[in-house]
Amino acid sequence: EPEVTQTPSHQVTQMGQEVILRCVPISNHLYFYWYRQILGQKVEFLVSFYNNEISEKSEIFDDQFSVERPDGSNFTLKIRSTKLEDSAMYFCASSEGLAGSYNEQFFGPGTRLTVL
Amino acid sequence: GENVEQHPSTLSVQEGDSAVIKCTYSDSASNYFPWYKQELGKRPQLIIDIRSNVGEKKDQRIAVTLNKTAKHFSLHITETQPEDSAVYFCAATPRGTNFGNEKLTFGTGTRLTIIP
Repeated sequence: EPEVTQTPSHQVTQMGQEVILRCVPISNHLYFYWYRQILGQKVEFLVSFYNNEISEKSEIFDDQFSVERPDGSNFTLKIRSTKLEDSAMYFCASSEGLAGSYNEQFFGPGTRLTVL
Repeated sequence: GENVEQHPSTLSVQEGDSAVIKCTYSDSASNYFPWYKQELGKRPQLIIDIRSNVGEKKDQRIAVTLNKTAKHFSLHITETQPEDSAVYFCAATPRGTNFGNEKLTFGTGTRLTIIP
């Protein structure tokens, strides 16, 4: 069964450094999402992406964050200048985007980001 | 925006007994309510979902009920087994004018422990 994949599984970085988290959504899916989960807390929506542009973003997704689909398979989340509070598990998700119905979001295994 | 409250935060149940987790939501436009199970260190996985035109849905030992008037929905697990131990998250989403722009708003999670 196709799955969303993410790399790396764990990223450690120094405060102020840039990080890029990578995701490969399921191949026929059209909608892509990033969520984050601070340790022990709930999963929070960051951004949704469709047709090469952001369709919605949360208050968390400020100017330090950006997303990109650089080629036909990867979907990336960039944090320009990391802060301590960016430490979290970041989940990528994708969905089919079939007309007329809600489409299940499939989650990747996550990237644990640790900012020191 | 949508706010989802979830109770209890922790729940311990004897193996074979039933477990019930409850969620409330604030946005009357929300019309899709998935439940995710997250085992330690793993991705959230959809276990059951319900749409707003249905009051109850069952899948083997798992059932979900929805009360639109009261804006609450519940997960029921019967005949619990040790492998049911995990964190369970409820979520809600409205259907946006553009399908696919359906960010999930998650509850705070319930850590369910099944006692053998």
